[in-house]
Amino acid sequence: TQLLEQSPQFLSIQEGENLTVYCNSSSVFSSLQWYRQEPGEGPVLLVTVVTGGEVKKLKRLTFQFGDARKDSSLHITAAQPGDTGLYLCAGETSGTYKYIFGTGTRLKVLA
Amino acid sequence: NAGVTQTPKFRVLKTGQSMTLLCAQDMNHEYMYWYRQDPGMGLRLIHYSVGEGTTAKGEVPDGYNVSRLKKQNFLLGLESAAPSQTSVYFCASTHMGAEETQYFGPGTRLLVL
Repeated sequence: TQLLEQSPQFLSIQEGENLTVYCNSSSVFSSLQWYRQEPGEGPVLLVTVVTGGEVKKLKRLTFQFGDARKDSSLHITAAQPGDTGLYLCAGETSGTYKYIFGTGTRLKVLA
Repeated sequence: NAGVTQTPKFRVLKTGQSMTLLCAQDMNHEYMYWYRQDPGMGLRLIHYSVGEGTTAKGEVPDGYNVSRLKKQNFLLGLESAAPSQTSVYFCASTHMGAEETQYFGPGTRLLVL
């Protein structure tokens, strides 16, 4: 069974602080996605990374895919209360057409 | 363009009752998925479909059945509900491609007593 471990599980920080969320697996993925989920809603895609070592930026969010395509990180610079939510990573193994989701990181940014 | 819709939004069942959750997408996506989300467990794949008339098992398929008779619809059935099936159910759809975006519905909250 493929597993995606996310850390930390919970994070409560002050507005303006930086943070990093990690997504790790022993499996190799052809692509890895990051989602944010608000309470009572479905997850919304933030980014997809497909190449080992790839770095993508989305405003204050920086996403990196590990060289071996087994892990990924999400770094938020100068966090804002609007960043509060559940962050999920999801990996897809080539040819399987299905995604394995991580356990999630619940982030709370205090004003 | 409504995206992905799910009905019902909320349902309470008694143990042993049956029900069907409906997922509909208007984006002409080939792939559709049913997930369940439980506290501290992330999302777990129940069943998925890569095209009309085809379905496959995911991580946690026991106790569920699915059908994809039309490309735009994906039905999830519970034949005999159990309290362990209390969860929030999400449907998602996506195109084929290297950087697919999964679009999720708003979820169905199911409580089995």
